[in-house]
Amino acid sequence: DAKTTQPTSMDCAEGRAANLPCNHSTISGNEYVYWYRQIHSQGPQYIIHGLKNNETNEMASLIITEDRKSSTLILPHATLRDTAVYYCIVRVDSGGGADGLTFGKGTHLIIQP
Amino acid sequence: NAGVTQTPKFRILKIGQSMTLQCTQDMNHNYMYWYRQDPGMGLKLIYYSVGAGITDKGEVPNGYNVSRSTTEDFPLRLELAAPSQTSVYFCASRSDNQPQHFGDGTRLSIL
Repeated sequence: DAKTTQPTSMDCAEGRAANLPCNHSTISGNEYVYWYRQIHSQGPQYIIHGLKNNETNEMASLIITEDRKSSTLILPHATLRDTAVYYCIVRVDSGGGADGLTFGKGTHLIIQP
Repeated sequence: NAGVTQTPKFRILKIGQSMTLQCTQDMNHNYMYWYRQDPGMGLKLIYYSVGAGITDKGEVPNGYNVSRSTTEDFPLRLELAAPSQTSVYFCASRSDNQPQHFGDGTRLSIL
């Protein structure tokens, strides 16, 4: 899996959009970008994933640059409950084999009231 | 659906004791995983299974064993507990080409 680089921590005001960057300059053509988050003391929660097109779901939007070397997770209207560690993970979306997720240290997003 | 259920939620062991961490899922997922998370760090893969009767080692398997006799259950066994195994353990499952679903973890302390 390609290596990812994320800022250690970020702050965002409640109600504003939170934009979390991720660099993955060595990403391969068949690797997806996944985002998970981990709220304190809970298991990681899947947010969104994409290959090369921008994606949106009920939780967030994912913007992937044209060269696919970086991406941004957008939480459109952050709330206090969005305070968590956010992990950007790059992996091949395969149907079998050793496809455990490789977690780095992630970005600690703190939503300020 | 209950999703991925882990028991116990907390446990304290003495050095050299053994125990089994339980994980069960009711989503009929083929793939199951065990991770550990040390303080301030990301998760590391211990063992995984691609279906009943099939298991394989992840990044940090030493000191652990697993079995997968049914689709639903994937227990993790510690035979001789050591202080280095103090950690939070997460179980996860998924179906083909779908994201992993995680349990809420087991917090284990070895004293």
